Amino acid sequence: AQSVTQLDSHVSVSEGTPVLLRCNYSSSYSPSLFWYVQHPNKGLQLLLKYTSAATLVKGINGFEAEFKKSETSFHLTKPSAHMSDAAEYFCVVSEAGGTSYGKLTFGQGTILTVHP
Amino acid sequence: DAGVIQSPRHEVTEMGQEVTLRCKPISGHDYLFWYRQTMMRGLELLIYFNNNVPIDDSGMPEDRFSAKMPNASFSTLKIQPSEPRDSAVYFCASRYRDTFTDTQYFGPGTRLTVL
Repeated sequence: AQSVTQLDSHVSVSEGTPVLLRCNYSSSYSPSLFWYVQHPNKGLQLLLKYTSAATLVKGINGFEAEFKKSETSFHLTKPSAHMSDAAEYFCVVSEAGGTSYGKLTFGQGTILTVHP
Repeated sequence: DAGVIQSPRHEVTEMGQEVTLRCKPISGHDYLFWYRQTMMRGLELLIYFNNNVPIDDSGMPEDRFSAKMPNASFSTLKIQPSEPRDSAVYFCASRYRDTFTDTQYFGPGTRLTVL
């Protein structure tokens, strides 16, 4: 079985400061991991994904995430927050085998607030 | 490509009425997924199709919910009769292949309110 835990339901930063959104996962197989972003009243947009290639993954809008198997983590970071980054972020796992193959399991989401 | 298209974007109905949500996947995608998003339960997979055939409907909450995919470019999710607890945002997503690494692309969602 697979699961995802986003460690913070809300993160608040000032514009120009670094962003860290934390995610831990559990998977019986080698997973693929994704970060999606949802702006208010919008659909989900893919930020980046990890698929067993490089452990440091770069995404859109300056975001990146590092896959750490030993820590079962896939934290999302950005060096400098922008006001337009304010949104809800979802960490997602897709499992490589078993009955959950190819299905997405979503974390509960982290709401990022960016202050001027 | 126009992306995944959903209609309507907003639906307000009264308890007991039938509700039909519509989805057009990205052209060429073989997989289509229906999700529901609520504050209490987050994002839940309801059902998904491969080549228009329902593969897994274990997430469909009860018999009041049904989904069809009559062709590769159209799917519906129907609720009959609707209840206030069905109020949620319903997302449709599509994917090209059957690999766990492939990206699902989401539509903008339908916000359903059942009074």
